[in-house]
Amino acid sequence: QKEVEQDPGPLSVPEGAIVSLNCTYSNSAFQYFMWYRQYSRKGPELLMYTYSSGNKEDGRFTAQVDKSSKYISLFIRDSQPSDSATYLCATLSGYALNFGKGTSLLVTP
Amino acid sequence: DVKVTQSSRYLVKRTGEKVFLECVQDMDHENMFWYRQDPGLGLRLIYFSYDVKMKEKGDIPEGYSVSREKKERFSLILESASTNQTSMYLCASTQRKTGAYEQYFGPGTRLTVT
Repeated sequence: QKEVEQDPGPLSVPEGAIVSLNCTYSNSAFQYFMWYRQYSRKGPELLMYTYSSGNKEDGRFTAQVDKSSKYISLFIRDSQPSDSATYLCATLSGYALNFGKGTSLLVTP
Repeated sequence: DVKVTQSSRYLVKRTGEKVFLECVQDMDHENMFWYRQDPGLGLRLIYFSYDVKMKEKGDIPEGYSVSREKKERFSLILESASTNQTSMYLCASTQRKTGAYEQYFGPGTRLTVT
């Protein structure tokens, strides 16, 4: 079983919609949970991270971790065409990151 | 404000050639990583290094080797390139302890082996 599972999509939504991206993970010892964003022909960049359980908000983005169900979520409010990208969830294990396969998101004007 | 650079954006090599991919970071990071990214398979870790001359195998090290002679530079070597090594290769770096969750990625090298 892969450490982090993520539905690859693609996901297509109209501008202004609320987007929900989700992952599950297998190892209950993980403490750091990240969301990376990757634009076409670029390397991934850290969008947000959460330590342990709970929510973290940054502008239109909210990251949520539920350790009881081993579930990681990213919510995007008022989605914009500039949010079109691939979103990768990740967990930290030692020095290395375990990435999900990424969800491709397209926000249409 | 370039932080992680990779030697080539696009590379075409023939089967059996020895291929060098180079990565340089200017953030004085201890850890450096090489990934490959393929459609449907996501990012997969090939090797990482936590210090000069130190290396650890990742999930898919077969067919690859690495070299880290200086802190800022991490090289990926394909000893004898094969067509199944056609892929996007991404280098990343991070601090060893604090901030290990934030990896800084280079722009990637798209390698085609014919």
